[in-house]
Amino acid sequence: DPKIIQKPKYLVAVTGSEKILICEQYLGHNAMYWYRQSAKKPLEFMFSYSYQKLMDNQTASSRFQPQSSKKNHLDLQITALKPDDSATYFCASSQPGGLEYFGPGTRLTVL
Amino acid sequence: GEQVEQLPSILRVQEGSSASINCSYEDSASNYFPWYKQEPGENPKLIIDIRSNMERKQIQELIVLLDKKAKRFSLHITDTQPGDSAMYFCAASVMTGGSNAKLTFGKGTKLSVKS
Repeated sequence: DPKIIQKPKYLVAVTGSEKILICEQYLGHNAMYWYRQSAKKPLEFMFSYSYQKLMDNQTASSRFQPQSSKKNHLDLQITALKPDDSATYFCASSQPGGLEYFGPGTRLTVL
Repeated sequence: GEQVEQLPSILRVQEGSSASINCSYEDSASNYFPWYKQEPGENPKLIIDIRSNMERKQIQELIVLLDKKAKRFSLHITDTQPGDSAMYFCAASVMTGGSNAKLTFGKGTKLSVKS
C-alpha cells in the first residue's frame, strides 16, 4: 500500500487557472515537504512544514500556497498558473531529523 | 544558500564494474548527505545516506564516502547490474535540533549499465 498518496497523478491546466495538488502521508511523520522537478531544473525544494507549521519557504512566488488541514496532509494550491509551472511536484515526509521519503508525484502540464 | 555540484552528468559502465559519482557542497554547516535513485516516471527513492559524524558507510554494494575538509562526498556502486541503471541524485542538508532543513540536490547523474 502506498504510504504517501498524491492526487492527481497527472494534471493538465490552462494558463491563468488555479489548481490544488493533494498530499497525504500515512507514515506517522510530523514533517512534510514539497519539491518540484522539471526538465530545466533538478529537484528543487519549495516548502517544509513541521507539526503543521511552515518552517521554510524557498518559493519566491506567492502563487504557491501550501495548506495543512490535518497533521498528515499538506496540499499545494497554485494560482494564476503559467506554462513555466509545468513540472512534477513531489510531496515528501519525514520524522523531524529523520529520513525523507518522496511520494509518487503529480505531473502538472500548463497549456 | 547551499549549492551542490554533481559529476558526472552521464556515466556508462560495463556490468560487473564499479561506478562512482562525486558531489561537492559549499556550506560547511551541512551535516546530512542522502543519495536518491530515480527511475523513469518514478519518484526519488532514498538508497543510502551519511551524516557528518561518519567518513564511510556501506550498504551491500553501495559505499558512501564523506570528506568534510574538502566538502566532498561520493557514491560508489560496486559490481554494477543492469538494474542499477537510473538517475542518481546527491543532496546536502543542515539538520539541527532534530529538525530537517531543506535538501539541496545536485543535478543528477544518469547511470547506464551495459550487459
